[in-house]
Amino acid sequence: DAGVIQSPRHEVTEMGQEVTLRCKPISGHNSLFWYRQTMMRGLELLIYFNNNVPIDDSGMPEDRFSAKMPNASFSTLKIQPSEPRDSAVYFCASSLQTSSQYFGPGTRLTVL
Amino acid sequence: AQTVTQSQPEMSVQEAETVTLSCTYDTSENNYYLFWYKQPPSRQMILVIRQEAYKQQNATENRFSVNFQKAAKSFSLKISDSQLGDTAMYFCAFMTHRGSQGNLIFGKGTKLSVKP
Repeated sequence: DAGVIQSPRHEVTEMGQEVTLRCKPISGHNSLFWYRQTMMRGLELLIYFNNNVPIDDSGMPEDRFSAKMPNASFSTLKIQPSEPRDSAVYFCASSLQTSSQYFGPGTRLTVL
Repeated sequence: AQTVTQSQPEMSVQEAETVTLSCTYDTSENNYYLFWYKQPPSRQMILVIRQEAYKQQNATENRFSVNFQKAAKSFSLKISDSQLGDTAMYFCAFMTHRGSQGNLIFGKGTKLSVKP
């Protein structure tokens, strides 16, 4: 059974460019979460969806960040324009109801 | 607001020995879940073990077990017969049971090194 799939695994871009991170949750899971991990702030939730509907986006840093979940099997996290302080590892996780969350391998983003 | 505290930034243990990682949390909720995740150098977040707050029995998964003390709001992880592959960052996490879903609130992590 495939786990959570994220792409790309690594992304290097220049300041000001648009970045799109992608996630495919585990089939059958109805909740999807985007987390960001940095040395300074640790792991923090950016946004989560339940049945494709955004439930809590209070962790989204600012308007430069946006997330969509057009269907149950796909989600994107977009940063436009990107800044060096956005450099981090971005994780996508999925779960079924109130069960455990399973994480993807993460995308390491470097903004120069 | 819920908080999770891991007071040991780093720990080390000899291979085959037992080590205990500490975690405390603060919440006014009565129903919630607690987790331990492992993050090896590959940075993959791997679920190690889960505990429901309403269960008095401590969760166990092979060499991993927890000591859940609800009144003390303590949730420690014991790793028995430590193996080199256990070397990783370990994160304690809290999730409320309120509502249909909840996000994980993580501690800062404990870096565990298993020495041969």
